[in-house]
Amino acid sequence: DSGVTQTPKHLITATGQRVTLRCSPRSGDLSVYWYQQSLDQGLQFLIQYYNGEERAKGNILERFSAQQFPDLHSELNLSSLELGDSALYFCASSVGTKQDTQYFGPGTRLTVL
Amino acid sequence: AQKITQTQPGMFVQEKEAVTLDCTYDTSDPSYGLFWYKQPSSGEMIFLIYQGSYDQQNATEGRYSLNFQKARKSANLVISASQLGDSAMYFCAMSPLNQGGKLIFGQGTELSVKP
Repeated sequence: DSGVTQTPKHLITATGQRVTLRCSPRSGDLSVYWYQQSLDQGLQFLIQYYNGEERAKGNILERFSAQQFPDLHSELNLSSLELGDSALYFCASSVGTKQDTQYFGPGTRLTVL
Repeated sequence: AQKITQTQPGMFVQEKEAVTLDCTYDTSDPSYGLFWYKQPSSGEMIFLIYQGSYDQQNATEGRYSLNFQKARKSANLVISASQLGDSAMYFCAMSPLNQGGKLIFGQGTELSVKP
């Protein structure tokens, strides 16, 4: 158990819908990262927050947004869902912002039908 | 371009033998971190080992060691005394200093340990 929690574990929804994925980092970690894992794209970095502020952005679609709250938990919002958004979404956390070891949550498996 | 290359899509190893998983990287950043993660069939990502670009010695963590050859830009993972539970996908990742904290992952190597 990495200490990072993610809910829900599985999510099945329809095209065009909106979903919210939630992540709680390990105690003491200030950075939260979101990654998407799909068969065709592999593991891709989406976005990073540090202590409530956005720090780095990857190949995140405009339909996707995220935030980190004062209690340090984070949410990833995915809207206007398409079939291609079906993937495993990971949250990871680390103490700081650069080259610290990132510990991953169990992931949320999103299926868009 | 920042890139991680894992050229072995799949590998087999006999139980109790050692195995090396290859990883090469490309970056222009002078400072970077290299990581290996394990992903069993259950799906979670498990951190195994870390090597900093300025570390003089190869990292070791139990049965895992990282064979770091900076001039060749390689960071191979060595697993000694393989166990059945080592069967999983293994990902090499890099965190360049000037890219914030993001990890750039390779495509992974699927390791199967035979009894």
